[in-house]
Amino acid sequence: NAGVTQTPKFQVLKTGQSMTLQCAQDMNHEYMSWYRQDPGMGLRLIHYSVGAGITDQGEVPNGYNVSRSTTEDFPLRLLSAAPSQTSVYFCASKPSLGTDTQYFGPGTRLTVL
Amino acid sequence: SQQGEEDPQALSIQEGENATMNCSYKTSINNLQWYRQNSGRGLVHLILIRSNEREKHSGRLRVTLDTSKKSSSLLITASRAADTASYFCAPTGANSKLTFGKGITLSVRP
Repeated sequence: NAGVTQTPKFQVLKTGQSMTLQCAQDMNHEYMSWYRQDPGMGLRLIHYSVGAGITDQGEVPNGYNVSRSTTEDFPLRLLSAAPSQTSVYFCASKPSLGTDTQYFGPGTRLTVL
Repeated sequence: SQQGEEDPQALSIQEGENATMNCSYKTSINNLQWYRQNSGRGLVHLILIRSNEREKHSGRLRVTLDTSKKSSSLLITASRAADTASYFCAPTGANSKLTFGKGITLSVRP
């Protein structure tokens, strides 16, 4: 199993550009989530999904969109990037909402100029 | 929110010494998890302790939980340079959504 994969590893955007961060898992997990990690701030939950077709907001959802059309994929969209979205983004999954251990991807480092 | 608060923010020890890290939280929990993050990598699950447990061991890891004080500690015994990483606690309540604090940066000097 590849586990949780994320692409790209690095990305530089200009303010106002849009892009999609990709996340995929091959463990048939129902629950997937996106976090951002900023220096001195720890990890903050952006959006999560408890299954295909179901998404919900986390702590810091503004400026981000998600959709979940398949069990495997959970892309994160930035519609109009801002410098405040410069961060490292992590995708994670676990078998279901009620299970505990979460598996993390390697992260995407995003810089918005 | 069940976000944990780790203490200290940074810890530097010599290889072979024990490292003790603490976590406090504010609401009732079902369990508490500890994760490790190596530089430039994602988080990796280390150990989970349920609210009805007081102590748990896994290899060189020992975690304790005191629900009356709403606190947990992670002890790494006989530390190695490879233990250098950031450590996060994740107290988990009924909604099972994991939230993380700022973490503890552990440096183990060879």
